[in-house]
Amino acid sequence: DIQMTQSPSSLSASVGDRVTITCRASQNIDTYLNWYQQKPGKAPKLLIYAASSLHSGVPSRFSGSGSGTDFTLTISSLQLEDFATYYCQQGYSSLLITFGQGTRLDIK
Amino acid sequence: QVQLQESGPGLVKPSQTLSLTCTVSGGSISDSSYYWSWLRQSAGKGLEWIGHVYTSGNSKYNSSFKSRVTISLDTSKKQFSLKLTSVTAADTAVYFCARGQDFWSQPVDYWGQGTLVTVSS
Repeated sequence: DIQMTQSPSSLSASVGDRVTITCRASQNIDTYLNWYQQKPGKAPKLLIYAASSLHSGVPSRFSGSGSGTDFTLTISSLQLEDFATYYCQQGYSSLLITFGQGTRLDIK
Repeated sequence: QVQLQESGPGLVKPSQTLSLTCTVSGGSISDSSYYWSWLRQSAGKGLEWIGHVYTSGNSKYNSSFKSRVTISLDTSKKQFSLKLTSVTAADTAVYFCARGQDFWSQPVDYWGQGTLVTVSS
């Protein structure tokens, strides 16, 4: 199984801050990596697919980068609505799609 | 705008079968660009992919569920369903149905709101 490890597990930041979340895969997954945002009581929403492509309707302050085993999600200038939990997901293995454990982003 | 809605019992007894249905609206369930997926989320295990079904009817499952899971598609009703047999308390979770894109990184682009299923006698 491909394990996905996110860091940090939680993070406090202020409106306007630049924030970076990291996701590491246990093996090379090329750019088969997606990022999601989830708010309490809601379903996850797709933000980034194929490591760096912005999903339709997602604000441009979100960006993704990386390939192989190391990936980052960056929010260039935090807005109030961005406080949520973020997950990475690998789609390299179609036999077992796996998610990271999540990064909770709180208001400082 | 594609919308998905889960339906089914919120309470299932141990050893019984969990059955959920997802109804799709606002888009074609027969478009081969997509697959139809079930995922779940519990406090103990985070987000977990259960499996998905393609428009061809073929399916893929998380091996963690061994032979307990079946996902099927009914294009005439614009629905797909999940059956999970021999449930235990560990299967208590919020279950999501979702649409995935069948290319490259397999992103899941539309989700249902989720339905809580509790396994308890």
